Amino acid sequence: DAGITQSPRYKITETGRQVTLMCHQTWSHSYMFWYRQDLGHGLRLIYYSAAADITDKGEVPDGYVVSRSKTENFPLTLESATRSQTSVYFCASSVQRDTSPLHFGNGTRLTVT
Amino acid sequence: QQPVQSPQAVILREGEDAVINCSSSKALYSVHWYRQKHGEAPVFLMILLKGGEQKGHEKISASFNEKKQQSSLYLTASQLSYSGTYFCGTEPTGNQFYFGTGTSLTVIP
Repeated sequence: DAGITQSPRYKITETGRQVTLMCHQTWSHSYMFWYRQDLGHGLRLIYYSAAADITDKGEVPDGYVVSRSKTENFPLTLESATRSQTSVYFCASSVQRDTSPLHFGNGTRLTVT
Repeated sequence: QQPVQSPQAVILREGEDAVINCSSSKALYSVHWYRQKHGEAPVFLMILLKGGEQKGHEKISASFNEKKQQSSLYLTASQLSYSGTYFCGTEPTGNQFYFGTGTSLTVIP
């Protein structure tokens, strides 16, 4: 089906391990975003991308790495997971900046033990 | 950079009205509104562009005052299905899209 999909839906990992969260969209949207959602903090921007091979930091990028070699994929990697990275992660995409809605994936619930 | 929303939480009875406010410290070109139900992803409601045009979505409407860098979401004759957390979203600089702090809305019978 067309849309934006995230995988896995749930992930439990140990402190210090590397974890990659996947995001795939079928609309060929230019813009893609990663957010984390924690109680009391709402949705905070981690990284975003305006096009393939163009990425930039958001509010809370420390400890995360992204890449975008293809328009449709925007994986998020936690290089060495910490307990503070336990969160729900949402990927989103949009056609244009500012004037187009963001379409969200279903989220990945990550627990770091 | 994150817009501030008020109130943080509100409880309504079915049929009552509510207003949710969103305020930014940066100049804005547009404001988005989203609703998120528990355990689900945020869902787009509407976008307001510069010009103060009021948009509507069934019984939910919004306004945008770019001079004051504020937007308000109006929910009239609330229904149980309106329950959720409402977020405004703005893009004050570059391509970074920020969400507000969120307003939890609970509609009770």
